[in-house]
Amino acid sequence: GQQVMQIPQYQHVQEGEDFTTYCNSSTTLSNIQWYKQRPGGHPVFLIQLVKSGEVKKQKRLTFQFGEAKKNSSLHITATQTTDVGTYFCAGGTNNAGNMLTFGGGTRLMVKP
Amino acid sequence: NAGVTQTPKFRILKIGQSMTLQCTQDMNHNYMYWYRQDPGMGLKLIYYSVGAGITDKGEVPNGYNVSRSTTEDFPLRLELAAPSQTSVYFCASSYGGVTDTQYFGPGTRLTVL
Repeated sequence: GQQVMQIPQYQHVQEGEDFTTYCNSSTTLSNIQWYKQRPGGHPVFLIQLVKSGEVKKQKRLTFQFGEAKKNSSLHITATQTTDVGTYFCAGGTNNAGNMLTFGGGTRLMVKP
Repeated sequence: NAGVTQTPKFRILKIGQSMTLQCTQDMNHNYMYWYRQDPGMGLKLIYYSVGAGITDKGEVPNGYNVSRSTTEDFPLRLELAAPSQTSVYFCASSYGGVTDTQYFGPGTRLTVL
């Protein structure tokens, strides 16, 4: 079945440093979504990418979808303590019906 | 709108007991999902529904059952609870399928001893 892997699993950064998490799928994706989960909370939708090579920005967050639609990345510039949480990618495919496959997540910890 | 609500917030079960996790959404969404999240891990899809009366299995359906008699409600039933079912359970809903935003409930933390 489809697998979605995320690296790294954990990342400690000093406040102000940049952070990147990578998402890789075993199959070509039709779309990819990113979610953020604060400690003790529930996942909250951040963004969706659907086009090959697509890049979207939300303030300090930059999201990319690879040309082959099998990988994606989330980059945070100048992290803040409010960025703490776990970031999940979730991929959909034309063959998987109505299911998104979630990656294992990257847990970001920011030292003030 | 309350969004997606789940009850209970916490529950401790003994091995072999049964329970129903409740999920309700007030956004008139067609699609509803049940995920489980084990400590430090990602989300695994248990069951999903594309509308009232229609349910389908996800990645990890064994040990669980669902029903969808109304658009709003999507209860998850655990029969014969096992320690391996200790997890946080999230219900989610979306208007459409995989290209639509999923809205998650606050979760139910279940421990089976």
